[in-house]
Amino acid sequence: AQSVSQHNHHVILSEAASLELGCNYSYGGTVNLFWYVQYPGQHLQLLLKYFSGDPLVKGIKGFEAEFIKSKFSFNLRKPSVQWSDTAEYFCAVILADRGSTLGRLYFGRGTQLTVWP
Amino acid sequence: EAQVTQNPRYLITVTGKKLTVTCSQNMNHEYMSWYRQDPGLGLRQIYYSMNVEVTDKGDVPEGYKVSRKEKRNFPLILESPSPNQTSLYFCASSLNAGGETEAFFGQGTRLTVV
Repeated sequence: AQSVSQHNHHVILSEAASLELGCNYSYGGTVNLFWYVQYPGQHLQLLLKYFSGDPLVKGIKGFEAEFIKSKFSFNLRKPSVQWSDTAEYFCAVILADRGSTLGRLYFGRGTQLTVWP
Repeated sequence: EAQVTQNPRYLITVTGKKLTVTCSQNMNHEYMSWYRQDPGLGLRQIYYSMNVEVTDKGDVPEGYKVSRKEKRNFPLILESPSPNQTSLYFCASSLNAGGETEAFFGQGTRLTVV
């Protein structure tokens, strides 16, 4: 089974601190990469995605992520977090060159981010 | 407004009593799927559907059934629920099964089986 690893289970920051959440995947082929956010009591919303091209992608709310193919990583960053960023963050992968699982998102276990005002 | 609608949002039931969680999307998407979310495990795919009358198992299909008679609807059926199916369930849809499409998620159904 494919695996997506999120290294931090719970991250606690003060407002204005910088954020980096790690994500690594195990698949050696072509991947499409996503970060989703889940605010308390709500459904998952797409933060950003990477399909091809510039490995540094920008998403909503000031988030960005960098795809490093050699490291099988897609880390999420934000220079200055806000209290409203408190949420759970999920990294997800689609195996883009594997027909049998096309469309299936493989999720990491999630990282709970708590931002103190 | 483009959306994926699940019902009910919350459900408490007893072991063995059949239940159905409905999912409907208004975006004419071909690909639909069900995930369950459990603490520390992230989301895992239960079943998916490439199009009408085309469904297949995901990673954790045991104890679940689905159907896709119409493009917009993709109900999840638990014929005989058990306590280990207590979880948060999400329905998702995307334009197609191509990897370069965004998945849209429903609001979730929190199911408790006692």
